[in-house]
Amino acid sequence: DTEVTQTPKHLVMGMTNKKSLKCEQHMGHRAMYWYKQKAKKPPELMFVYSYEKLSINESVPSRFSPECPNSSLLNLHLHALQPEDSALYLCASSQDETGEGDTQYFGPGTRLTVL
Amino acid sequence: GEDVEQSLFLSVREGDSSVINCTYTDSSSTYLYWYKQEPGAGLQLLTYIFSNMDMKQDQRLTVLLNKKDKHLSLRIADTQTGDSAIYFCAEKLDNYGQNFVFGPGTRLSVLP
Repeated sequence: DTEVTQTPKHLVMGMTNKKSLKCEQHMGHRAMYWYKQKAKKPPELMFVYSYEKLSINESVPSRFSPECPNSSLLNLHLHALQPEDSALYLCASSQDETGEGDTQYFGPGTRLTVL
Repeated sequence: GEDVEQSLFLSVREGDSSVINCTYTDSSSTYLYWYKQEPGAGLQLLTYIFSNMDMKQDQRLTVLLNKKDKHLSLRIADTQTGDSAIYFCAEKLDNYGQNFVFGPGTRLSVLP
């Protein structure tokens, strides 16, 4: 099973709303990632969790707040977003093993629209 | 700094071979990857190659790596309309940490 699931598939929110994106994997992977992808662009790394600890935060605004409750789950809490935050948000996971092919597996993404 | 480049568009006829090229700048790359993304979907891992290999073949896919020139290519044999998608080249910069860098993507159009 190489599946990463994400919910919801689509989300429309106002600038004053609070919402959360969820990601789940059951491959025993110890690294989990959030990416933001704008149309016709490659994914941009936002956050990386390794062994449930935040290891990379690519200068993301504080209106995005990641959370890793356990090794299988990754959340992204959203608050006071701006219209320019509208994008496809992709979750990925990998084994986080050194010396081997540390391959990322991606979820289908959540299409976020901020009004 | 790290940089991955790809040509943005490629059109081929159904049944022909497609070759998608990628160049990267960081010589510390350990693994290089090809991902496929269909409209509105996430990224699907197609294949990857370790930096000490020259070639890897997997059914219709052939990956060639020229480490001296930092050039990676993906050849798709007998290209089908279902292969129409955006193809991303990506590199992992070193053996430690999780630093993956993606190219801009090549949009492959397969004409009937």
